[in-house]
Amino acid sequence: QSLLTQPPSVSGAPGQTVTISCTGTDSNIGASFDVHWYQYLPGTAPRLLIYDNNNRPSGVPDRFSGSKSGASASLVIAGLQAEDEADYYCQSADNNLNAWGGFGGGTKVTVL
Amino acid sequence: VQLLESGGGLVPTGGSLRLSCAVSGFRFDRHAMSWVRLAPGKGLQWVSGVNARNRAAEAEFVRGRFTVSRDEAKNMVYLQLNSLGVDDTAVYHCVRDRESRGYGYYFDAWGQGTLVTV
Repeated sequence: QSLLTQPPSVSGAPGQTVTISCTGTDSNIGASFDVHWYQYLPGTAPRLLIYDNNNRPSGVPDRFSGSKSGASASLVIAGLQAEDEADYYCQSADNNLNAWGGFGGGTKVTVL
Repeated sequence: VQLLESGGGLVPTGGSLRLSCAVSGFRFDRHAMSWVRLAPGKGLQWVSGVNARNRAAEAEFVRGRFTVSRDEAKNMVYLQLNSLGVDDTAVYHCVRDRESRGYGYYFDAWGQGTLVTV
């Protein structure tokens, strides 16, 4: 069972905007801990997409954005492209665990 | 930044393996390091981490079976896996940790991973 809750899948046509939710509890996101997002393409190493809720590492396109409110966070992919088809995971620290916390169950994004 | 894992393989239930991660391209002594795994049909799971002061932590499912360590002189991180079960079958990634703005860590550099099959 994952620490954070994500929808198993979302889909959209090229050019559309999709949003992935990440729901936590009072011991993690709700405790004001930052949320981070990762992209995983099969056969490659996962890569950091968003850190500290809404910051993009260099090289990440600005069509990826993150936000946080209360005990939930969201990843928005605007102008969806075929290469965005991948698995996306959120992650946060947790008071009941440790500073590394845990991940969400992952969301498969399908580009129609 | 380079993280190069090795040591994975096929092991029987109850067996052991030692994973290694060779680190280069950054000040190793300034970063916590972790192991994160991805099992078939499952999501990412943080396994174990060790900070720059050599204090370690593990996920609940580890239950004392795995031990993470680091060698500053060799720029290496290790994960000793004992009492392996079929549920431990996964690709194990070595990752560099960064401190979050507030509290906690995130993972900003990942190795390609090494496959452990139990």
